[in-house]
Amino acid sequence: GPKVLQIPSHQIIDMGQMVTLNCDPVSNHLYFYWYKQILGQQMEFLVNFYNGKVMEKSKLFKDQFSVERPDGSYFTLKIQPTALEDSAVYFCASSLWGQNTEVFFGKGTRLTVV
Amino acid sequence: GEQVEQRPPHLSVREGDSAVIICTYTDPNSYYFFWYKQEPGAGLQLLMKVFSSTEINEGQGFTVLLNKKDKQLSLNLTAAHPGDSAVYFCAVTEMNTGGLSGKLTFGEGTQVTVIS
Repeated sequence: GPKVLQIPSHQIIDMGQMVTLNCDPVSNHLYFYWYKQILGQQMEFLVNFYNGKVMEKSKLFKDQFSVERPDGSYFTLKIQPTALEDSAVYFCASSLWGQNTEVFFGKGTRLTVV
Repeated sequence: GEQVEQRPPHLSVREGDSAVIICTYTDPNSYYFFWYKQEPGAGLQLLMKVFSSTEINEGQGFTVLLNKKDKQLSLNLTAAHPGDSAVYFCAVTEMNTGGLSGKLTFGEGTQVTVIS
């Protein structure tokens, strides 16, 4: 079936540095999402993105976070600067429409901030 | 905002037996309900989506029940087999007339272990 690819699967970064998490969504999908899962906790919505714009974001989507999808390439989550509490697994997802359609998830990128 | 509580966090079930996972949500405007399965090292696999008008849905090896009165969504694994060992998540979203949000609120997950 359709796959969302996330690269890399694990990234270790020094606190204060910038990190970019890459997501290759399903090719014809129009809506893109990032979710954050701290170890042992539930997955939480960060942001959704459509037509080049952030449509909705949660309080977890701090000012240090940004998303973009330049020229239909990777959908990226950038954190600058990183903090220790940013350590988590970040899941990218995409869907054809905004609701009433299946949301496809990637396998996640484990980010460790040291 | 919406809150979703999922129980139990861990579940051991003998092969061939059944098991139930229950999610309780708070927002009466919740309209779409989902169950996802996550195997180690894999992404989330959609098992079933349930809409407001549907109360019972049967899949391959499981049944989903939606009880809107009690704001509960349950997943019943019937005749469990080793391939069912995974983490299961429920997720809930509102009906959004603007059609712009696919935002899901997840439960905490249930680690299911099927014992042969």
